[in-house]
Amino acid sequence: EAQVTQNPRYLITVTGKKLTVTCSQNMNHEYMSWYRQDPGLGLRQIYYSMNVEVTDKGDVPEGYKVSRKEKRNFPLILESPSPNQTSLYFCASSLSLPGVTTEAFFGQGTRLTVV
Amino acid sequence: AQKITQTQPGMFVQEKEAVTLDCTYDTSDPSYGLFWYKQPSSGEMIFLIYQGSYDQQNATEGRYSLNFQKARKSANLVISASQLGDSAMYFCAMRAVMNYGGSQGNLIFGKGTKLSVKP
Repeated sequence: EAQVTQNPRYLITVTGKKLTVTCSQNMNHEYMSWYRQDPGLGLRQIYYSMNVEVTDKGDVPEGYKVSRKEKRNFPLILESPSPNQTSLYFCASSLSLPGVTTEAFFGQGTRLTVV
Repeated sequence: AQKITQTQPGMFVQEKEAVTLDCTYDTSDPSYGLFWYKQPSSGEMIFLIYQGSYDQQNATEGRYSLNFQKARKSANLVISASQLGDSAMYFCAMRAVMNYGGSQGNLIFGKGTKLSVKP
């Protein structure tokens, strides 16, 4: 089954404690990205990757890091989480650009709370 | 600037009736795609339907159809014969070939419409 898998689904952590949210896809997609969803703001892109070892900032990258060492994995790293990073996070993947006909497949979401 | 506007924060529809969720978009790119996603209370994002800017016909997927009016820059989602399981948040999104001022390939989302289906 084609899917994007995120872990964990739920996470409560304390300010400053480094954490990683993993994302893995089994569709051989080149393009992967991370979004955060906040009430009243919709989804906003944090980082994206167009292929292995190619990553770039999205609209709200501050406080986040990513890496793309393998095609299937795209972890999101919070080196020093703060309460304003409390949010619902989604990983998404799609076939590579150019072309806009490719839908994005989303992971199940990770609900992160930073206290 | 690229933008998606969903003006209906919440809507109610009677079971078995049709409902239209509004979406307008703004882009200067001639080539773009429009998407609708459903987000039930469990939180996952489910792809529903896609419309390309050069597609001549409106997209349809089962009970979902997209009313694409390019001149008006609108891409409304029509759900026919509503079911209780359709109660969810619905997001309209756009992806342009060249996302001026933003990241390439970025899906730009509206703020969503919460649909409630009444029995």
